[in-house]
Amino acid sequence: QTVVTQEPSFSVSPGGTVTLTCGLSSGSVSTSYYPSWYQQTPGQAPRTLIYSTNTRSSGVPDRFSGSILGNKAALTITGAQADDESDYYCVLYMGSGIYVFGTGTKVTVL
Amino acid sequence: QVTLKESGPVLVKPTETLTLTCTVSGFSLSNARLGVSWIRQPPGKALEWLAHIFSNDEKSYSTSLKSRLTISKDTSKRQVVLTMTNMDPVDTATYYCARMLGAVAGRGGWFDPWGQGTLVTVSS
Repeated sequence: QTVVTQEPSFSVSPGGTVTLTCGLSSGSVSTSYYPSWYQQTPGQAPRTLIYSTNTRSSGVPDRFSGSILGNKAALTITGAQADDESDYYCVLYMGSGIYVFGTGTKVTVL
Repeated sequence: QVTLKESGPVLVKPTETLTLTCTVSGFSLSNARLGVSWIRQPPGKALEWLAHIFSNDEKSYSTSLKSRLTISKDTSKRQVVLTMTNMDPVDTATYYCARMLGAVAGRGGWFDPWGQGTLVTVSS
């Protein structure tokens, strides 16, 4: 089974920038995987941040951006705020209607 | 306003079959550009995609759980149903349903919005 890997955790200072990545256990991530990103705070359902690599979902602040960096999908938070402290998950489309979530990254803002 | 709401048992016994229902509002399950997925999250762990159903009734399943899952829909009732057989304590999780957008013409879609989730505990 394909594993989608994310950093377990990141710490960022308020106002700082952090880039989370989403990779494959085997192979490179490209736009053909249609990566999407979700933010989840404890006890809440996930919220869509980015889809199709770099399109922000409605209402998402422009401090969140998506891209492909090297062989991984990436989510960058520029000018981190306290309420960005959350878990972040990527999802990759594997074809044939199959999706795989990443392992998730816990972001701490301090 | 688009909403999805999961319902089903809070507690199931090992070896039993779980049946969950996702009731949607604000969109039609017959819309060619939309579909519904089920996703779960064990306590303190990562999200896991389980299954998806398209408007044309085409279905897709997680490779690792395919043998245990069945997804179906009743368009008139606005409901998507997931069954999972042979439940085990490791299947204890919050189960979410989510609308899928953008999955047309072979493209990958995204999940938006999500239901609130329903916690299912597997224990004897």
